[in-house]
Amino acid sequence: DTEVTQTPKHLVMGMTNKKSLKCEQHMGHRAMYWYKQKAKKPPELMFVYSYEKLSINESVPSRFSPECPNSSLLNLHLHALQPEDSALYLCASSQEQGFLSYEQYFGPGTRLTVT
Amino acid sequence: DQQVKQNSPSLSVQEGRISILNCDYTNSMFDYFLWYKKYPAEGPTFLISISSIKDKNEDGRFTVFLNKSAKHLSLHIVPSQPGDSAVYFCAASSSYDAGNNRKLIWGLGTSLAVNP
Repeated sequence: DTEVTQTPKHLVMGMTNKKSLKCEQHMGHRAMYWYKQKAKKPPELMFVYSYEKLSINESVPSRFSPECPNSSLLNLHLHALQPEDSALYLCASSQEQGFLSYEQYFGPGTRLTVT
Repeated sequence: DQQVKQNSPSLSVQEGRISILNCDYTNSMFDYFLWYKKYPAEGPTFLISISSIKDKNEDGRFTVFLNKSAKHLSLHIVPSQPGDSAVYFCAASSSYDAGNNRKLIWGLGTSLAVNP
């Protein structure tokens, strides 16, 4: 099973709402990632969890709050977002964050629209 | 400053011919390179990778070549098929900190169109 699943597929939220994105993998991977992707751009790294600990935070605004409840799950909590936060949010996982085990497998993404 | 460059935003080839996608990098600390393929509204799909200790890696129709002295890699697709039409991203990795944590540095992508 090389699948990373993400829910929901689409999300429309107002600027005062609180919502969460969910990601799950059952490949036994110990590194999980959140990316943001705008049209015609490469994925932009937001957060990395390695062995359920936050490893990288790419200076993401605090209105995005990641959580890794266990080795298979990754959440992204959203609060007071801005319209410019509208994007495709991608979750990925890799065996580890180290050398030669670094191929990342991506989920289908959540298309987020902030109104 | 773009550390991973894909200078061709788009490429069009005929079905059955070879597609060659190019990628240049500036950081000599990169030691692992990956190619991803992306269809619209989907997540990227891992295609093939190569470490800096090799100069070639092959997987079916896909071959990646690495020229470290030129800081250049290329992805060859032979033969090209219409289903290969997608955006292809080159990405590179180096150790991020003393604990060998890593992250990917991405190129801007090349949109490949394979015409029947």
